[in-house]
Amino acid sequence: DAGVIQSPRHEVTEMGQEVTLRCKPISGHNSLFWYRQTMMRGLELLIYFNNNVPIDDSGMPEDRFSAKMPNASFSTLKIQPSEPRDSAVYFCASSSAGGPYTGELFFGEGSRLTVL
Amino acid sequence: GNSVTQMEGPVTLSEEAFLTINCTYTATGYPSLFWYVQYPGEGLQLLLKATKADDKGSNKGFEATYRKETTSFHLEKGSVQVSDSAVYFCALSIGGAQKLVFGQGTRLTINP
Repeated sequence: DAGVIQSPRHEVTEMGQEVTLRCKPISGHNSLFWYRQTMMRGLELLIYFNNNVPIDDSGMPEDRFSAKMPNASFSTLKIQPSEPRDSAVYFCASSSAGGPYTGELFFGEGSRLTVL
Repeated sequence: GNSVTQMEGPVTLSEEAFLTINCTYTATGYPSLFWYVQYPGEGLQLLLKATKADDKGSNKGFEATYRKETTSFHLEKGSVQVSDSAVYFCALSIGGAQKLVFGQGTRLTINP
């Protein structure tokens, strides 16, 4: 079975450019999470969706960040304009909110973003 | 608020050594506790979990016991292997929520 698929795996861009990260969750999962990982701050939850609806976006750093989930099989995280401090690995994860609780998130391999 | 504190790394051990990675938590409710592992270049994956006090989670030779009295969930393994080199994250969730709060991670390196 396919896991969580993220693209691009690596992105290098210049300050001020728009960045769009993409995620395809595991089929049948109805919760989707965006995390950011840096050496300084560790793993931070940015936003998560249940059934395509944003539930908690309190971790989104500022208005430059936005996330959408137009359907159950696709989500985007957009940064506009990007800044060097946005350099990080961005992870998408999905889980199934229904049925017996497992607490297990399935993570993609991450998108490594470098903003010059 | 809810938070997780792990022992600072990096941790370097020789193969077959005994491993302990400490994890303590603060929670406003009754949490479920997890250990996730991140191998180089990969995303995180669930290693083990415990959902109530005194439960022991185990997988791949790793164990952790949910200790409510000490608010701890320490990860242990009796004999580590080079392939165990990774970053280990302790995490909690409250009330059956899918949202997880992670600790800062502990990098483990096992030398042959």
